[in-house]
Order: sequence, then structure tokens, then C-alpha cells
Amino acid sequence: EAGVTQFPSHSVIEKGQTVTLRCDPISGHDNLYWYRRVMGKEIKFLLHFVKESKQDESGMPNNRFLAERTGGTYSTLKVQPAELEDSGVYFCASSQERRTEAFFGQGTRLTVV
Amino acid sequence: QKEVEQNSGPLSVPEGAIASLNCTYSDRVSQSFFWYRQYSGKSPELIMSIYSNGDKEDGRFTAQLNKASQYVSLLIRDSQPSDSATYLCAGGAYSGAGSYQLTFGKGTKLSVIP
Repeated sequence: EAGVTQFPSHSVIEKGQTVTLRCDPISGHDNLYWYRRVMGKEIKFLLHFVKESKQDESGMPNNRFLAERTGGTYSTLKVQPAELEDSGVYFCASSQERRTEAFFGQGTRLTVV
Repeated sequence: QKEVEQNSGPLSVPEGAIASLNCTYSDRVSQSFFWYRQYSGKSPELIMSIYSNGDKEDGRFTAQLNKASQYVSLLIRDSQPSDSATYLCAGGAYSGAGSYQLTFGKGTKLSVIP
């Protein structure tokens, strides 16, 4: 069974540009999460999808971040325009319906210069 | 504010010894706890989950939870060099919006010396 897959693994963009991160959850997992680790800090929650619906997006830093999960399968996280403080590792995780054990992807390391 | 605290290490133990990783949490909302192992540049891998007070054993790993003391630990018996990684402690709880979320510590880096 394939795990959670994230693309790209690394992205370096200039301040003001747009970047889109993609996450493919484990097949059949209704819950999809985005988390972020900023350098020197702990991994923090960004938002949670249940199928195609946003259950909780309280962790999103500001309106420059837009997450979608059309069709309830893969998800994208767009940052527009990117700022220096957006640099970090963005993790995606998924879990089965009503299950609390979440499985993580390898992350996308975003560097904004 | 929920917090999960871990000693960042590095924690060095000789091969074959017991590695003890500790975690404390600052609120009483977290209902369950998870230990993830992360090798450099790889995904955090779930290795243990614990939902009630006491010990839970799985192979060489034992997780311990003490809700009264707000303390979680992970013991690795017969440590191997392949156990060298960063270990992340996370508490799980439902938010007000009904979303099950993890609150992570910063992680403890473990080095097992051959």
C-alpha cells in the first residue's frame, strides 16, 4: 500500500511568487491534514479536510494560504504571494474515518528567498 | 495553550542499552499520545500510540502514559544503530470544530553508538 505522497520534495521560490504543494493521501483515507514545521519550532497544525470539506482551518497563518481538496482525493496548498516567513517543511498526513492514527508524508521543504 | 515538551537531546546510548525518551504536556485536553520516529529527510513514522494510563509494549518499544503527572515516555530496549533518529512525541485531541489534531514536541534526537 502506497503511503502519503507529497510533491515537490523541495521548492525554492522568490518572495512574492506563488507555490503550490500537492499531497496524495493513502487511498481510502477520508481525513487529510496539513501541518508545518518552521525552523527551530515544532510541527504545527494548519488544517483538516474530511473528504472534500474543510473541518478546521484554524491553523492557517493568513489568507495568503489556500488549501483545496477537490473530489476528496488529493489536496493542494497554495501560498500566494510567498513571504520569507513561509519557509519551512510542510507535511501532509492522512487517517481513516474515525481513526486517530495519522500517517505522514515526507514533507515539502519550502524555501522563500 | 497546549504544549508538549521534549528534551531536544542529543541522547546518546550504547548499542544494546535501553533508550528512555520523555515527554511532558501542559494541559489536560489531550486524550491520547503518539510517538513518531523521523529519519533525516524522511516522513515521521508512527511507531507507538497510547490511549490510557499504564504501559503498552510492542516489540522492543514500550510506551508509558501517566495522565495524573502529564508524562509520556518511550523506552527502546536493546537499542540498535538503526534506531538513531529524531523521536517526536505528539498529543492528540479534538478541537472545538471537531477536528482531531496533533500537538507535537520539538523532538529528541537519539544516537545509538555501536
